Amino acid sequence: GQQLNQSPQSMFIQEGEDVSMNCTSSSIFNTWLWYKQDPGEGPVLLIALYKAGELTSNGRLTAQFGITRKDSFLNISASIPSDVGIYFCAGEETSGSRLTFGEGTQLTVNP
Amino acid sequence: SAVISQKPSRDICQRGTSLTIQCQVDSQVTMMFWYRQQPGQSLTLIATANQGSEATYESGFVIDKFPISRPNLTFSTLTVSNMSPEDSSIYLCSVEAPPSNNEQFFGPGTRLTVL
Repeated sequence: GQQLNQSPQSMFIQEGEDVSMNCTSSSIFNTWLWYKQDPGEGPVLLIALYKAGELTSNGRLTAQFGITRKDSFLNISASIPSDVGIYFCAGEETSGSRLTFGEGTQLTVNP
Repeated sequence: SAVISQKPSRDICQRGTSLTIQCQVDSQVTMMFWYRQQPGQSLTLIATANQGSEATYESGFVIDKFPISRPNLTFSTLTVSNMSPEDSSIYLCSVEAPPSNNEQFFGPGTRLTVL
């Protein structure tokens, strides 16, 4: 089946630093999604990407859909303490199909 | 987006019993999904529930263990049957909501502990 490799597994950074995480897949996806999950909560959608090469921003967050359709990255600029959480990438083959999730990146931001 | 609520938010259950989790959406949606998130792990899809049809289960999940109901376009239930400690997880429902049906939105989850 499909697999998503997400890295890094965890990151410890200082407030104000930029962060980058990425996902690679053995399969092609038509949609890439990035979620953030806080403790005790469900994942919250941050950014959705629909086209190969697409670069999309949401505030301090920027994500790109890789040209090969097999990878995506998420950047967070000027991190703040509330950025702490687990970030998941997810890929969808077609609309209405199952989401395949990466294993998550645990982000810790030190004030 | 869609606003999704789940009940209960958490529960502690005895081995061998069953628990039914409810998922309510504030708008009509065609597709609803049930996921399991084991401690410290990512999300794994259990099944897809479309209104008016049988749920479609992923490999490793069976209807006898995780029966699902989808009586209308805003509601679904997942039952975890004959529970064992290995079923201790967070159970999440999600929906694909317009305007873009490629985006899935998640409920807050139900944290289940089986003793």
